Amino acid sequence: GDSVTQTEGQVALSEEDFLTIHCNYSASGYPTLFWYVQYPGEGPQLLFRASRDKEKGSSRGFEATYDKGTTSFHLRKASVQESDSAVYYCALSDTEGADRLTFGKGTQLIIQP
Amino acid sequence: GGIITQTPKFLIGQEGQKLTLKCQQNFNHDTMYWYRQDSGKGLRLIYYSITENDLQKGDLSEGYDASREKKSSFSLTVTSAQKNEMAVFLCASSRDRAGQNTLYFGAGTRLSVL
Repeated sequence: GDSVTQTEGQVALSEEDFLTIHCNYSASGYPTLFWYVQYPGEGPQLLFRASRDKEKGSSRGFEATYDKGTTSFHLRKASVQESDSAVYYCALSDTEGADRLTFGKGTQLIIQP
Repeated sequence: GGIITQTPKFLIGQEGQKLTLKCQQNFNHDTMYWYRQDSGKGLRLIYYSITENDLQKGDLSEGYDASREKKSSFSLTVTSAQKNEMAVFLCASSRDRAGQNTLYFGAGTRLSVL
């Protein structure tokens, strides 16, 4: 079945550091890929999505590029802020018509001031 | 805009007890979902429903029942709570297919079983 692998369970950085959270996927079709963010006490919310190879999704200074060759969708931000502290989830749907998403295990991002 | 309301916010149960969690959405969305969130395990799909009175099993449906009697509401029942179980249950909705549309989540129900 489909799966999403986030290798980092937790990332700790200082303000203005560069962020990378790795996401690799396995899917039978041509999936749509998503990043969701969850702030403390809230439900996850969509950060952005990408549907095609080489498509870049971006929002709030975060970005990720769909790479079908390496089956990856790594999240990056050039300069993190304390307010970025949250849990980040990579997810996929195996087709645009799919009813459901498959989520990774999540990465807790901790930013120290 | 809209909102997803989950009740209760906190639920404490006893081992073997049947427990019901409720979810309401005012987006007028067709599809609703129940996910379980455990630390280090991410979000796992329990049940979803693509329309009123429809139910589809997810990856974690054993031990749970669900009910979609109205378009706006989706309830989840833990049929027999397990001792020391602790998890967050998240309800979500989307306008149509999840692959094309954004999932909107509620803030969750936090379950503790004594």
